[in-house]
Amino acid sequence: KNEVEQSPQNLTAQEGEFITINCSYSVGISALHWLQQHPGGGIVSLFMLSSGKKKHGRLIATINIQEKHSSLHITASHPRDSAVYICAVPTIYNTDKLIFGTGTRLQVFP
Amino acid sequence: DTEVTQTPKHLVMGMTNKKSLKCEQHMGHRAMYWYKQKAKKPPELMFVYSYEKLSINESVPSRFSPECPNSSLLNLHLHALQPEDSALYLCASRYPGQGYGYTFGSGTRLTVV
Repeated sequence: KNEVEQSPQNLTAQEGEFITINCSYSVGISALHWLQQHPGGGIVSLFMLSSGKKKHGRLIATINIQEKHSSLHITASHPRDSAVYICAVPTIYNTDKLIFGTGTRLQVFP
Repeated sequence: DTEVTQTPKHLVMGMTNKKSLKCEQHMGHRAMYWYKQKAKKPPELMFVYSYEKLSINESVPSRFSPECPNSSLLNLHLHALQPEDSALYLCASRYPGQGYGYTFGSGTRLTVV
C-alpha cells in the first residue's frame, strides 16, 4: 500500500464544473503539499498546509489531520486548469524527502 | 525574484559527452534539490544541498555529480550517461526545515542518444 494515495487517477470535466481531488496518507506528517504540473512542464507549488483550509483564487485546499486526508478543490474550472495535480508529504525522519502521490490527471474541456 | 531558473531547457547528449545542468535562485533559499522525473511518474529525489553542503544522496550513480558553488547556484554534472537517464531534471529550492514550501524550476528535458 502506497503511503500517499490520490483519487481519482484521471478526471475529465466541462468548463465551469467544481472539481475535487483527494489525497490520503498513512504516515504522520508536519505538512502536506499540493503541486501542479502542466504537460511537459515544471512543477508549481500550489499549497503547503498543516491544518484547516487555504484558498488562493479558485483553488481551495483542506486537510483533516485526524483522518489523514486532504482535498484540493477547483471552483469554476477552466481549460487552463488541465494539468497533473500531485500531493506530497515529507517523510517523518527527514523533512527534505517528500513522498509523492501518483498524481491526478485533470482535463477540462470547453 | 521569486523564481528558480534552470538552463538549458532542452539538452541532447551522446553517451560519451560531458555536460552540465544549471539551477539558480535569488530568494535566499538555503536548501536546493535535484529531482529526476520520467514520463507519467512522480519526481524522484536525487540530491539535497543544505547550506551548500550535500546532505542527501539517494544512491545516485556516479555519472551524476552535483555541485553547489554558492548559496544561489546548483549544478548537476553529467558524464557517460545511458539512454535510460533520459528524463526531465527538476531543480527546487526552499528555506531549510519544517514548514517551508518549495519553489520548482521548469526543468531541463534531457535526451541521451
